[in-house]
Amino acid sequence: GAGVSQSPSNKVTEKGKDVELRCDPISGHTALYWYRQSLGQGLEFLIYFQGNSAPDKSGLPSDRFSAERTGGSVSTLTIQRTQQEDSAVYLCASGTSGSSGEQFFGPGTRLTVL
Amino acid sequence: GEDVEQSLFLSVREGDSSVINCTYTDSSSTYLYWYKQEPGAGLQLLTYIFSNMDMKQDQRLTVLLNKKDKHLSLRIADTQTGDSAIYFCAPSDAGGTSYGKLTFGQGTILTVHP
Repeated sequence: GAGVSQSPSNKVTEKGKDVELRCDPISGHTALYWYRQSLGQGLEFLIYFQGNSAPDKSGLPSDRFSAERTGGSVSTLTIQRTQQEDSAVYLCASGTSGSSGEQFFGPGTRLTVL
Repeated sequence: GEDVEQSLFLSVREGDSSVINCTYTDSSSTYLYWYKQEPGAGLQLLTYIFSNMDMKQDQRLTVLLNKKDKHLSLRIADTQTGDSAIYFCAPSDAGGTSYGKLTFGQGTILTVHP
């Protein structure tokens, strides 16, 4: 079946601009996670959504970062006033929380802030 | 928070066994995952072990868990050149209070020589 998809695959933007990254999870998965991967910081958790519960935003690095999940499916990660240190690969994962909690990752969006 | 440590590099000859080690700090981790990342690709879930198990075997992969020492290892038997990739250890509190968010080690770069 279809896996997690993310768009765009690559995004180049200028410092100070806002960007939106999209994630389409695997159908039926109730949990959705955002992570980012950068050379300096490795793989870091950003935010987690589970059903109708309030999201766990504990990993967001600043208030310039926000995310929404509409209708329990598609999620958008928004970065306002981008900075060069935001350059990274942003990874989305979906899964079923509880049980064994496996997470299945999308291919990522490579964000470059000039 | 959780800290996860892995050695950065491992080099083996084709046909030999590879052992990738990981240590972690949070004893409440309930599931411990291994992910593989090939160049330019996303994260692929390889296997996982539940914290009440000592060992799990899955074809060429063997996971060993020493919960007392908080040490996890991944053994790949008969390593092939296609196994060359970065391997990430990722403990999780799946089913617990943190809803299964993953904390990743820095990754071990496995290089397999013909």
